[in-house]
Amino acid sequence: KNEVEQSPQNLTAQEGEFITINCSYSVGISALHWLQQHPGGGIVSLFMLSSGKKKHGRLIATINIQEKHSSLHITASHPRDSAVYICAVKRYSNAGGTSYGKLTFGQGTILTVHP
Amino acid sequence: GAGVSQSPSNKVTEKGKDVELRCDPISGHTALYWYRQSLGQGLEFLIYFQGNSAPDKSGLPSDRFSAERTGGSVSTLTIQRTQQEDSAVYLCASSRSQNTEAFFGQGTRLTVV
Repeated sequence: KNEVEQSPQNLTAQEGEFITINCSYSVGISALHWLQQHPGGGIVSLFMLSSGKKKHGRLIATINIQEKHSSLHITASHPRDSAVYICAVKRYSNAGGTSYGKLTFGQGTILTVHP
Repeated sequence: GAGVSQSPSNKVTEKGKDVELRCDPISGHTALYWYRQSLGQGLEFLIYFQGNSAPDKSGLPSDRFSAERTGGSVSTLTIQRTQQEDSAVYLCASSRSQNTEAFFGQGTRLTVV
């Protein structure tokens, strides 16, 4: 079982729909990232969060540390939101609680928004 | 520069040749990461540099892979005796520290023929 699981793997929506992408993880983490990757493009960091909720424009990210779960929401979706959305976690080490720098990634969710 | 810069953007090499991939992180960022994204696969950690500490090499897939970071800035990922399974997009990222947001470069697409 992967340490970071995303669902759904593929998501198709009509323009204007509210979209939710889920991420579950099985390890202790110091932070969780949501990343966006457009076809042929680089990776852009959308959010880094360790508790609660963050909002940026039409994007909202939430995390529940106790349940080891995070969600990324897109309100009023648009075709330009079509991309791969990737959840990644930054782990704590086994001893001392010092966080690793490296990220462990989910497999990504391919989002397609049709006009 | 304003962002993380990687070069070359594309590299086609013959099987068995050595390749060097370069990453220029954002100025002042002490943490630098290399990741790999193979076709149809997720992102895979390769190596992580943090300041003057010994790098975390736990993600390097074989001893054909090595990386160095000179002067705490530019990093070079070297793949010796390339194999077809090394074909992937190699991504570099940097962050101000290990606990802050990471910024990614555009990647180097490596094709081994």
